[in-house]
Amino acid sequence: DVKVTQSSRYLVKRTGEKVFLECVQDMDHENMFWYRQDPGLGLRLIYFSYDVKMKEKGDIPEGYSVSREKKERFSLILESASTNQTSMYLCASTRGTEAFFGQGTRLTVV
Amino acid sequence: EDQVTQSPEALRLQEGESSSLNCSYTVSGLRGLFWYRQDPGKGPEFLFTLYSAGEEKEKERLKATLTKKESFLHITAPKPEDSATYLCAVRKGGSYIPTFGRGTSLIVHP
Repeated sequence: DVKVTQSSRYLVKRTGEKVFLECVQDMDHENMFWYRQDPGLGLRLIYFSYDVKMKEKGDIPEGYSVSREKKERFSLILESASTNQTSMYLCASTRGTEAFFGQGTRLTVV
Repeated sequence: EDQVTQSPEALRLQEGESSSLNCSYTVSGLRGLFWYRQDPGKGPEFLFTLYSAGEEKEKERLKATLTKKESFLHITAPKPEDSATYLCAVRKGGSYIPTFGRGTSLIVHP
């Protein structure tokens, strides 16, 4: 079975903190994604990566950056956390067909 | 612009009351339509991939079908444990990025 693991289920951070969300997949997938999910807005793509050290902006990249130094790991960085970044964050990976998701990280910024 | 629209937004059923969820899409060169189940506070769980009109896939009480413009997720004799949000996504040719609908929240009452 494909496994996508996110480093934390729940996080509480203070406004202005730098926040790192980590995601690891074990299926040698080339493509990895970060989404945020908010009630009524569905899944929105923040960033994606199609190879090591390669990254592309999604629909809502402002306030975020990413890092992919190894194929299996894709990190989402909130440079200076703000309350409007309180959300559920979902990581996914795919070889090009269906995407597989991690369990999600519920981030609260206070 | 690629669009995925799911209906209804919410659906309440009695246990055993069969129904269908709809996913209509506009995308050029469909390369896959995907159904996911998402439980509260968790990441989406992959259910099915459909590639061409006329294709059908089944899993327990769920059956997914595909036409050139829409897909249906049929739920036969649902049980309370089928309660979840069901997400639909499509991928078009030349892109590995899935476009998601906003989901249908299903509640099955005992």
